[in-house]
Amino acid sequence: GESVGLHLPTLSVQEGDNSIINCAYSNSASDYFIWYKQESGKGPQFIIDIRSNMDKRQGQRVTVLLNKTVKHLSLQIAATQPGDSAVYFCAEIPSGGSYIPTFGRGTSLIVHP
Amino acid sequence: DAGITQSPRYKITETGRQVTLMCHQTWSHSYMFWYRQDLGHGLRLIYYSAAADITDKGEVPDGYVVSRSKTENFPLTLESATRSQTSVYFCASSPTGTGMGNEQFFGPGTRLTVL
Repeated sequence: GESVGLHLPTLSVQEGDNSIINCAYSNSASDYFIWYKQESGKGPQFIIDIRSNMDKRQGQRVTVLLNKTVKHLSLQIAATQPGDSAVYFCAEIPSGGSYIPTFGRGTSLIVHP
Repeated sequence: DAGITQSPRYKITETGRQVTLMCHQTWSHSYMFWYRQDLGHGLRLIYYSAAADITDKGEVPDGYVVSRSKTENFPLTLESATRSQTSVYFCASSPTGTGMGNEQFFGPGTRLTVL
C-alpha cells in the first residue's frame, strides 16, 4: 500500500553541523509535502512545506528538497543547534481534495553541544 | 489565552468507560482535526471537521465520536474505551484545510491510558 517512511530513526550531530533528515514516499499522486518538528511532550509544529511541482524550498535555516524521480524528500537544517533536538517527520497530502495527510513515523534528531 | 488547548492533559480510565477529550481554539479556524499518536506509527487521523456541524471520518474512526456545534470546540468521545485506545491524542486546527500554506496548528496533546 501507499506509505510515507523515514530512512533513519535516530540522527546524532554536533552543534554547528548541518543535519539532513530523509523521507521516502510511495504515492506519486501526492499534491504536496510538509515537515513537522515535535519536541518532547509537545504537539507537532509546522516547519516548511513544498508543492509537488517544486524541487526546493528554503526557510530560515531549513531547506526542503523534493526528488520526484526517486520519491524522496529531505529536510536540511543548517548550523544545527541544541534547540533543534526533536523528532522530525514528514507528511504527504494527496491530490484530489481529500486533504487527509499521511504521516511518517519520525526521526529523532539529537544535537550534542 | 489565544491558541489551541486540550483538556485534560492526562487521563486514566477503565475499559468500558466513556471518555471525552476536549479541544478549543481561539483563531476561528474552519478546520479542526483529531489524531492519535502511537509508538511505531505516525500520526493517524481519527476525524476532522471542515466547519461547524460538518464532520468526516479519517483513517481510524472506529470507537470514536465527534461533534462540532461551535466553530471553536471539537470534542472527541470514546463511547466505550478499550485498551487499544491508549494513546496520545492531538487536536489540530487550520484556517482552510491542509492546502499549501495552510499549516495545521497542533494542541499540546492528551495522554490517555485505558486500564
